[in-house]
Amino acid sequence: AQTVTQSQPEMSVQEAETVTLSCTYDTSESDYYLFWYKQPPSRQMILVIRQEAYKQQNATENRFSVNFQKAAKSFSLKISDSQLGDAAMYFCAYRIGVDYGGSQGNLIFGKGTKLSVKP
Amino acid sequence: GAVVSQHPSRVICKSGTSVKIECRSLDFQATTMFWYRQFPKQSLMLMATSNEGSKATYEQGVEKDKFLINHASLTLSTLTVTSAHPEDSSFYICSARAPFPTEAFFGQGTRLTVV
Repeated sequence: AQTVTQSQPEMSVQEAETVTLSCTYDTSESDYYLFWYKQPPSRQMILVIRQEAYKQQNATENRFSVNFQKAAKSFSLKISDSQLGDAAMYFCAYRIGVDYGGSQGNLIFGKGTKLSVKP
Repeated sequence: GAVVSQHPSRVICKSGTSVKIECRSLDFQATTMFWYRQFPKQSLMLMATSNEGSKATYEQGVEKDKFLINHASLTLSTLTVTSAHPEDSSFYICSARAPFPTEAFFGQGTRLTVV
């Protein structure tokens, strides 16, 4: 079974600084997707970044980038130039890439990391 | 990105009554929708997977007779909490899977309080 582990329940960063959130996962599949979602106090889930397992290049979205280490099954999120609006819960998620019978492509989430940004 | 609308955002109901939550994909057809439950300060737990025109697939431990799911069209799935009890109070989130790109899009969530 696939699992996603976020070992940091809480993290804190100074405004304008850089922070890295950790995520590891376990799977026997070779084709899959990894995601980072942000959940602010409104509780709306917002996609931050996506990584396809077959791509060696790390995904980047403006101030957000990932360090994808496929062999180590590690998928960390780096937030550069942190802003007050980045404060939220961050969830790492996994999804199998191919739809097998019984798998509908649901997301498997880690337990989340609460990020605080200090002014 | 694609838009998923979930309604209502908040609902309070009395014990023993039923509550229906709607999840609509506004600008794409969602062949698959997912229903999650989130307890305070916890992660999202998948309750069931809903496919248009067929019966929902429930995760282990989720009572299908209590949490009725209907996916009548490619843009609408509903979750009905039947004979609600206070322990059903929670935050319920739906998501819809778009054909492309590969990520799922989430509704705004529904905070259910059973009194």
